[in-house]
Parts: sequence; C-alpha cells; structure tokens
Amino acid sequence: NAGVTQTPKFQVLKTGQSMTLQCAQDMNHNSMYWYRQDPGMGLRLIYYSASEGTTDKGEVPNGYNVSRLNKREFSLRLESAAPSQTSVYFCASTVSGSGNTIYFGEGSWLTVV
Amino acid sequence: AQSVTQPDIHITVSEGASLELRCNYSYGATPYLFWYVQSPGQGLQLLLKYFSGDTLVQGIKGFEAEFKRSQSSFNLRKPSVHWSDAAEYFCAVGSYNQGGKLIFGQGTELSVKP
Repeated sequence: NAGVTQTPKFQVLKTGQSMTLQCAQDMNHNSMYWYRQDPGMGLRLIYYSASEGTTDKGEVPNGYNVSRLNKREFSLRLESAAPSQTSVYFCASTVSGSGNTIYFGEGSWLTVV
Repeated sequence: AQSVTQPDIHITVSEGASLELRCNYSYGATPYLFWYVQSPGQGLQLLLKYFSGDTLVQGIKGFEAEFKRSQSSFNLRKPSVHWSDAAEYFCAVGSYNQGGKLIFGQGTELSVKP
C-alpha cells in the first residue's frame, strides 16, 4: 500500500523557472492538500481540494497554482520560482468526516537559487 | 484568530526520563487535536489524535496526551524517553468539517541525552 506518493523528492530550481510537484494517493480519499514547511513555522496550508473538481486557497497560496487532475492526483505548480519558495512541501489526503486520519506524503525538498 | 502554540522550540531530556511537550490552541469550533512526529528528512507520522470522549488518549510508541478544554491545552507525555524518540514534534488542530485543513504549531525539537 503506497499511501501518498510525492515526486520529485528533491529539486533545485533557478529563480524564474517553473516546475510541478506531483502527488498521488491510492486510498480513494476525496480530499487532498498541499502544505509547506519552513523552519520555526510548522506546516502551512497552500491549497486544498475538498473533492474532485474543486480547489481552494489555503493560508499561503501566492505564487502557486494547483490542479486536481482526478480523484487520485493533485499537483502543485510554481510558475516562476522565487527564493522565498525554498521549502519542504508535503501533500496530504483524507476522507472528510469525523475521525478520519490524515495521511502525509514523505515530502519534497525544493531549493530555489 | 486560530492558532497553535508550542512554547518550547527545543527540549533536551536524558534517556529514561519522563517527557512533556506543551501545546496550547486557540480555535473557534470544537477542536480535533493531533500530535505528529517527524524524524530528520522524513514525513509526518501521526502519534495520536483526540476527537471526543476520554480526554486522555493513548498513541503509538508509548505516547499519551491529555485534552484540557479549560486550559486550551493538549500536552504530549511519555513516561520514559528512548534515544529513538529524538525528532521534531508537531501539535495541530482542526475540526469536523475541515477535513485535512489543519493549523500546526511551530514544532518542538526533542534531543535525547544518553
């Protein structure tokens, strides 16, 4: 059971370059999320998709776009990377409702130089 | 404003000693509370969660946490720490209708002395 799979695990970008982080889950979850983790700040929600076909902004959406490609996949795109986007990115998924566990991927380490 | 505060950025304990990591929250709705652990270079692993019922919850790896509504706290405890518990610990809060939309604390880094 793979759970939540993120690719790539590591990436170095130059300022202004674009890239897409991929996330897929095999648990038939309806809700998916993208978080970023920065030192001393915990995890902050970037975007989420409560169900297939919907996406919404989280706490820190600026500079990002997302696509809920199908029920399994939720991608995060940086159109023009900036050094401030150097971070660790986590994808998560769950079935919305009482008592449901939230599953996190292993993270994607992104450095923008 | 909704927030989670972990007052201790870094804690060092001796192996075999007891541990308590503090977590305070401010949240408008009935809170669902979580503790996650993250080892270096790894993702987040759920230690335990509180949704309702008994305010003392047991988790994996010998951890437990107590929900105190009057103090808006959800502190994590372990009676005897092992060297393998060295990691970063995150407290998070959500609610029934928010699914995976969690608010995380800043994290507490735990070091274990031999």
